[in-house]
Amino acid sequence: SQLAEENSWALSVHEGESVTVNCSYKTSITALQWYRQKSGKGPAQLILIRSNEREKRNGRLRATLDTSSQSSSLSITATRCEDTAVYFCASTGGYKVVFGSGTRLLVSP
Amino acid sequence: DAGVTQTPRHEVAEKGQTIILKCEPVSGHNDLFWYRQTKIQGLELLSYFRSKSLMEDGGAFKDRFKAEMLNSSFSTLKIQPTEPKDSAVYLCASSSRTGGALEQYFGPGTRLTVL
Repeated sequence: SQLAEENSWALSVHEGESVTVNCSYKTSITALQWYRQKSGKGPAQLILIRSNEREKRNGRLRATLDTSSQSSSLSITATRCEDTAVYFCASTGGYKVVFGSGTRLLVSP
Repeated sequence: DAGVTQTPRHEVAEKGQTIILKCEPVSGHNDLFWYRQTKIQGLELLSYFRSKSLMEDGGAFKDRFKAEMLNSSFSTLKIQPTEPKDSAVYLCASSSRTGGALEQYFGPGTRLTVL
């Protein structure tokens, strides 16, 4: 069974809108990572949020972490067509990274 | 700087064949990970090397899957014999000693199709 899971399989927005991807995990973690994977490419890390942090930003991206509810969210503001990708959360403990199954985000013009 | 390189990008094999996938990590990185990615199971860790030492041998995968770190700049993943259920994208990732699992850089993957 998945130890990290995004809560939506697919999302669709129009350019300029904001979108949030939610994630829940089941184990104690060192950190929670958000990755993006575009078609034909490997995943690329967007944000790393450590277990003692509550929020992290990277440009138009904002990640939150709630260790009491074992959940995290990734928000993207002012979306662009190039944000179209699969977004994964990944719970990390030691050297083990457990990836969720991903949320497909489609940003249309 | 060159990222993680994986070859070939696509591989087609007949059931029962032996295939070898190759990975060159980012120069200077000490840690190397092999993952399998499928639509159903998502990303699954196959192997993990730290400074060429095998730290994780993939549990359920280890009977037909063997990863090796021939030197600090080259790794292979051998699947022997292949089965149709091995059809997937195989991803290699590397990280620095300080980054570890928290800062992995992924290659583009090798898409394997087993007929």
